[in-house]
Amino acid sequence: LAKTTQPISMDSYEGQEVNITCSHNNIATNDYITWYQQFPSQGPRFIIQGYKTKVTNEVASLFIPADRKSSTLSLPRVSLSDTAVYYCLVVRYSGGGADGLTFGKGTHLIIQP
Amino acid sequence: DAGITQSPRHKVTETGTPVTLRCHQTENHRYMYWYRQDPGHGLRLIHYSYGVKDTDKGEVSDGYSVSRSKTEDFLLTLESATSSQTSVYFCAIGDYNEQFFGPGTRLTVL
Repeated sequence: LAKTTQPISMDSYEGQEVNITCSHNNIATNDYITWYQQFPSQGPRFIIQGYKTKVTNEVASLFIPADRKSSTLSLPRVSLSDTAVYYCLVVRYSGGGADGLTFGKGTHLIIQP
Repeated sequence: DAGITQSPRHKVTETGTPVTLRCHQTENHRYMYWYRQDPGHGLRLIHYSYGVKDTDKGEVSDGYSVSRSKTEDFLLTLESATSSQTSVYFCAIGDYNEQFFGPGTRLTVL
């Protein structure tokens, strides 16, 4: 199972671009990288997923280098409402089941005015 | 938002009593999941289901059982609740790498 490592917390300011990096050194060929956002008293919300290179949607971008041992979630021009906990997951498909569905402690992102 | 509801939303119970939490979906999705969230541990998978009557264990399944008799409902049962099972429980639906979560159930075991 690919263990993920993220910073426990990060601070930034409104209007800035924020990059959160996740390390997953023993990622396997069948593994996908997924990011979620969680606000207090709510369930996590899916943000983005990827396998390699770059993926972009209306909310964020995900950068994955060629060796796939890390990934970076990029949030453009953050606002106060982006203050949340962000989780990186590496999900492995194996024999019809899934491993790696553990969210860990995530990164607590705090956006200041 | 995905059509997922959880009931009850809050429950206080005593050690040794049985407790059943219900997750109901209106999306007709094949996969459903139960997680628990505790301070300092993030979310951890308890059990998941990949179809009616098809379930499998997650990371922290001891002390929990599940049942899925129809597509829309996934039940989580604590046969004899313990204080260590005090937690927030989340249900989710969707594929392994893109899940949609319910609002959660806060369970307190005294």
